[in-house]
Amino acid sequence: DIQMTQSPSSLSASVGDRVTITCRTSQGISNYLAWFQQKPGKAPKSLIYAASSLQSGVPSRFSGSGSGTDFTLTISSLQPEDFATYYCQQYNNYPLTFGGGTKVEIK
Amino acid sequence: EVQLVESGGGLVQPGGSLRLSCAASGFTFSDHYVDWVRQAPGKGLEWVGRTRNKVSSYTTEYAASVKGRFTISRDDSKNSVDMQMNSLKIEDTAVYYCTRLEGGGRGWYPIDYWGQGTLVTVSS
Repeated sequence: DIQMTQSPSSLSASVGDRVTITCRTSQGISNYLAWFQQKPGKAPKSLIYAASSLQSGVPSRFSGSGSGTDFTLTISSLQPEDFATYYCQQYNNYPLTFGGGTKVEIK
Repeated sequence: EVQLVESGGGLVQPGGSLRLSCAASGFTFSDHYVDWVRQAPGKGLEWVGRTRNKVSSYTTEYAASVKGRFTISRDDSKNSVDMQMNSLKIEDTAVYYCTRLEGGGRGWYPIDYWGQGTLVTVSS
C-alpha cells in the first residue's frame, strides 16, 4: 500500500496568513493526488485534483503543486471559512489511501 | 445539481449485517464510477471500495479490511449503489460516505462529489 504522510498534523494561523500543507507518498504517483476539506460534522469537500487543478467553485486562494512523491496545498490568504481539516489522497493505486489529515485552527 | 444521498445506517451487533444505499441524481449516473469512503469517530478517511460502470463491466474493488465481507453493487436503471455489509466488526463503526468519481472508463479519476454520510454503529 502507498503510505501518505501529511505534515503538519495541525497548525494555528491567523486570518490573512499564507498556509502550506505538505503530503508525501511512499512511492511515485505522478500527479494523481487530490485534496479535500472537511469541517466538523460535515462531509468532506473536494478541492483539488491532479495535484494542481481546482474543482469547480473552489476559490483561487487555494492552490496545489507537486508531482511524484511530494505535494503541497497552499492557501494564499486564510479566510475564516477555511478553518477545517485537510486530507490528501492518492488515486492511482489500490487501495486508494488518504493522508492522516491536517487540522487548521485559529491562532 | 449533483446529489448523493446515503441511507441504511444504524446500530447492529457484531457479526450482523447491514445494507447501505446511495441514491444519485443530477447527473448521468451510468457514466461514473462510485466509491465508498468511511470515517471512524474522531479518525481520518478510509477508502472502502469501488463499483465501476457498464463500460468497465461493473467490476469492483475493495480494501483488504472489508474484502470478503462487503459487496458493492449498482443499478443504473435506479441511479443507485448498494453496499451489503456482512460479518460486521466493532471496527467497522464509522460514517460511510458515497462518493462520485469524475468519470468512468480507462484511466484514474478523482472524487468530485460526496454524500452527507450515514452512520453505522457496530456494538453489543
